[in-house]
Amino acid sequence: DAKTTQPNSMESNEEEPVHLPCNHSTISGTDYIHWYRQLPSQGPEYVIHGLTSNVNNRMASLAIAEDRKSSTLILHRATLRDAAVYYCIRALANFGNEKLTFGTGTRLTIIP
Amino acid sequence: KAGVTQTPRYLIKTRGQQVTLSCSPISGHRSVSWYQQTPGQGLQFLFEYFSETQRNKGNFPGRFSGRQFSNSRSEMNVSTLELGDSALYLCASSLVPGTGYEQYFGPGTRLTVT
Repeated sequence: DAKTTQPNSMESNEEEPVHLPCNHSTISGTDYIHWYRQLPSQGPEYVIHGLTSNVNNRMASLAIAEDRKSSTLILHRATLRDAAVYYCIRALANFGNEKLTFGTGTRLTIIP
Repeated sequence: KAGVTQTPRYLIKTRGQQVTLSCSPISGHRSVSWYQQTPGQGLQFLFEYFSETQRNKGNFPGRFSGRQFSNSRSEMNVSTLELGDSALYLCASSLVPGTGYEQYFGPGTRLTVT
């Protein structure tokens, strides 16, 4: 199964860091790990993706375990605008079957 | 740079009818993917097009089809609509195919079948 395992929901206080965990124990060597988020009434928004090494961009950081069976999305300083459903996706990379398989995601609530 | 645009944004159809949805990718993006989102099944991959060719297809019946034009714009068609086809249909574009690239999603078309 290509889907990942995430907590259904998490809460965090505003202006504090948030660590969103994801388990992808069946990942293969060439599959990427993508994170997207979806705000209410909007399409998903790309957050970050990586293969083996930790990745940083202006939105977040992605920490990938050495065995690649899990990863953590880090929002360094949560704002109210970060309240969304966050999807961790194991992106299949085998030729002709590359696709993003979305799971149920983690609903992140930010407490003011 | 303009984002992914989808038209129409909202649509109401009757069972048995057919519908065509349109997607314009970000300028320069050549790969277009379609997804269906429902409360029960979540986000599910429909198909992906690149260079006017379908590269990849999800597990949906043949009533769901699509195409891509030479300018990378894409359409998807659903024939013989069923109540269960009511959903948010999302289009996403990326520079080229392959999961090493980020996808940019449009706002979606909300289809209601009555």
